[in-house]
Amino acid sequence: NAGVTQTPKFRVLKTGQSMTLLCAQDMNHEYMYWYRQDPGMGLRLIHYSVGEGTTAKGEVPDGYNVSRLKKQNFLLGLESAAPSQTSVYFCASSSTRREQYFGPGTRLTVT
Amino acid sequence: GDSVTQMEGPVTLSEEAFLTINCTYTATGYPSLFWYVQYPGEGLQLLLKATKADDKGSNKGFEATYRKETTSFHLEKGSVQVSDSAVYFCALVSNNAGNMLTFGGGTRLMVKP
Repeated sequence: NAGVTQTPKFRVLKTGQSMTLLCAQDMNHEYMYWYRQDPGMGLRLIHYSVGEGTTAKGEVPDGYNVSRLKKQNFLLGLESAAPSQTSVYFCASSSTRREQYFGPGTRLTVT
Repeated sequence: GDSVTQMEGPVTLSEEAFLTINCTYTATGYPSLFWYVQYPGEGLQLLLKATKADDKGSNKGFEATYRKETTSFHLEKGSVQVSDSAVYFCALVSNNAGNMLTFGGGTRLMVKP
């Protein structure tokens, strides 16, 4: 099992550009999550999904959109990137057993 | 709402020292409690968990006991190693749809040889 994988690992964007981060899990988990982690801060939930075709807002959803067209994939989109979105992004998944499994992260820099 | 409070770091210890990282929580109902560890440049890994009062989670020499009376889940290790240097996050899941985690702010541990 690969667990949770994220693509890409690193990305540099200019302000106003768009991009999509891909998260994939092979554990057949129902729930998936996107977080951002900023220096000196813990993780903050951006959006989450409780099943295929469903999404919901987390703590800091502004400026991001998500889609869960397939159970194993959860996409995070930035339509018009801003420097404030420079961060490390983590995807996670979980089953009904509650513990979450995290991907390795995507380091995004917006200049 | 739910919240998790951890001791602020960094915590600096010598190898083989005893480690305690304090964690207290506020939650409705009966949450599940977790410790996650983040090594430099990596994602978070589940270190241990406890799902009900008086449960003890343990892994890799680390332990934490779910204390409902003091709403605490302190992380301990009897003898730390340099390889334990990382950031440790305490977290909980209460009765919410979606199993959303509430994280503490993280505690950086630095172990010196």
